[in-house]
Amino acid sequence: ETGVTQTPRHLVMGMTNKKSLKCEQHLGHNAMYWYKQSAKKPLELMFVYSLEERVENNSVPSRFSPECPNSSHLFLHLHTLQPEDSALYLCASSRMMYRDGLTDTQYFGPGTRLTVL
Amino acid sequence: AQSVTQLGSHVSVSEGALVLLRCNYSSSVPPYLFWYVQYPNQGLQLLLKYTTGATLVKGINGFEAEFKKSETSFHLTKPSAHMSDAAEYFCAVSGLIQGAQKLVFGQGTRLTINP
Repeated sequence: ETGVTQTPRHLVMGMTNKKSLKCEQHLGHNAMYWYKQSAKKPLELMFVYSLEERVENNSVPSRFSPECPNSSHLFLHLHTLQPEDSALYLCASSRMMYRDGLTDTQYFGPGTRLTVL
Repeated sequence: AQSVTQLGSHVSVSEGALVLLRCNYSSSVPPYLFWYVQYPNQGLQLLLKYTTGATLVKGINGFEAEFKKSETSFHLTKPSAHMSDAAEYFCAVSGLIQGAQKLVFGQGTRLTINP
């Protein structure tokens, strides 16, 4: 398999459930990202991991808990979500940048469509 | 802080007509700029990017964009629209966080192609 994969593609959960979203990249990258895409807002960056260290938490509620066990895998653990958390959750990866400031492309997965009842 | 504004949440053109999607940015440092496309039920795919050098950037599927510093713009164009171009397009500006790339996206423009 190539690129960035996400599972599951669709998820329906109740507000009291606990579930996890999984992202895997096969590109040899070492930076990974979670984004939220909802109908009413632009794409929102949620979390950034660089070399498996979280370097950005964009004021995301604690009911979202990311985990990056290695450079190829990224999880988003969900618990006690609200209906307004229903959205498309996108994972992306990129090559870590260096001091020369060169920037590399982020490659996106297909997303997980989450519905919270 | 960086930001992106895409003018027009919906754009509709006829097949074969010029496509013009507008993007203006705000950045306190020299920007790196991107256009991504999203087809239904898919993730985002990079169309093109500007980092440094030539201000006219060519991308995939016949798209191109021109970086105009004086106008803080990075508009996306295609001379002749095809039905397969119907999708949502996102402009983004990037910065760095400890080596990782932080993208700030515009709100997106949905492109419709009329037969």
